[in-house]
Amino acid sequence: EPEVTQTPSHQVTQMGQEVILRCVPISNHLYFYWYRQILGQKVEFLVSFYNNEISEKSEIFDDQFSVERPDGSNFTLKIRSTKLEDSAMYFCAIRTGGVYGYTFGSGTRLTVV
Amino acid sequence: QQQVKQSPQSLIVQKGGISIINCAYENTAFDYFPWYQQFPGKGPALLIAIRPDVSEKKEGRFTISFNKSAKQFSLHIMDSQPGDSATYFCAARRSDSNYKLTFGKGTLLTVNP
Repeated sequence: EPEVTQTPSHQVTQMGQEVILRCVPISNHLYFYWYRQILGQKVEFLVSFYNNEISEKSEIFDDQFSVERPDGSNFTLKIRSTKLEDSAMYFCAIRTGGVYGYTFGSGTRLTVV
Repeated sequence: QQQVKQSPQSLIVQKGGISIINCAYENTAFDYFPWYQQFPGKGPALLIAIRPDVSEKKEGRFTISFNKSAKQFSLHIMDSQPGDSATYFCAARRSDSNYKLTFGKGTLLTVNP
């Protein structure tokens, strides 16, 4: 059973629409991350979330993006008004296993049309 | 200074051969260097990792070689198998920067039977 479940696995949305991507870790963790991978390119850091607040964000993570833990277990990434260039795989990740551990979810493929 | 440079972009190896992927970094604040394996449609999965105070780490057919003075590290896959065909990403992490990962651009490995 994966430690991190992401839903939906694939979402198609119209440009300008809002999308919410969800991440559900199996057990409690303090550190959460969102990463993005545009097709055929490298995985890029978006944001880290520690102790229920953003601890660091990248240049990609502009005002269109937001993260939250609405109920203490789910971890969500919201894109307020999607653009074509937001089309990518979005991965949630958690810190696990002591100093080195880091587990990625299987990702949500977002397609903006 | 945050970049991790990875080469080659793609690699074709015969079954039983040795696959070698190289990475270089600039920021000496990186303190953990993992390699991730990614199959199509899946999230990156940790393969093997090393700290900069160790020059080599071996796990089964996978070996990381680390050269701290040259700021380079490499992944060696011995006795490469068709099932190893995947995209491999090197990464580097800073523990003083929320443990976020900086990824290389990836290497698409194809192992021919």
